[in-house]
Amino acid sequence: GQQVMQIPQYQHVQEGEDFTTYCNSSTTLSNIQWYKQRPGGHPVFLIQLVKSGEVKKQKRLTFQFGEAKKNSSLHITATQTTDVGTYFCAGPGNNDMRFGAGTRLTVKP
Amino acid sequence: NAGVTQTPKFRVLKTGQSMTLLCAQDMNHEYMYWYRQDPGMGLRLIHYSVGEGTTAKGEVPDGYNVSRLKKQNFLLGLESAAPSQTSVYFCASTPTGVGEQYFGPGTRLTVT
Repeated sequence: GQQVMQIPQYQHVQEGEDFTTYCNSSTTLSNIQWYKQRPGGHPVFLIQLVKSGEVKKQKRLTFQFGEAKKNSSLHITATQTTDVGTYFCAGPGNNDMRFGAGTRLTVKP
Repeated sequence: NAGVTQTPKFRVLKTGQSMTLLCAQDMNHEYMYWYRQDPGMGLRLIHYSVGEGTTAKGEVPDGYNVSRLKKQNFLLGLESAAPSQTSVYFCASTPTGVGEQYFGPGTRLTVT
């Protein structure tokens, strides 16, 4: 079945540095979703991208969907300690969404 | 509006024991999912349901059974627990198969 690959698996940054996680698929995706999971918590939906080349922003977070709709990225500008957690991308499967393995972000104050 | 709830929150089982995890949603969503989350492996789909009375297998269905007798409830059963089933289990629901998923708080299961 369709799979999405995420890199890196871990990222440790100093507070104030930028952070980017990437999501790649071997097949064209009709849409892609991003979720955040705080330590000890559950995944929470952040955004869905649908259009080729789409870029969406949420405060310090910038989400991009590639022109070929096979890759996506999440970029956080000037990370804060509140950004810690695991970020997942998810692409559509059969009546469900298939999740990447996630990127765990830690932020050093 | 409680969203998605899961019971229990924690459980310790011995190998061979059985148990049922309950997921309930009050958003009238058609689709419901059971995932397991293990370190470094993201969320893997166990079973899902596209509506009351329906169930289907996901990526890792072996050792689990499910039932969706009522639209708001989705039960996950372990007939004979094994240590490999030690994991955090999340339930999720969505109005459509590819829309935003709403997750429950999770159940942490340990099988000794």
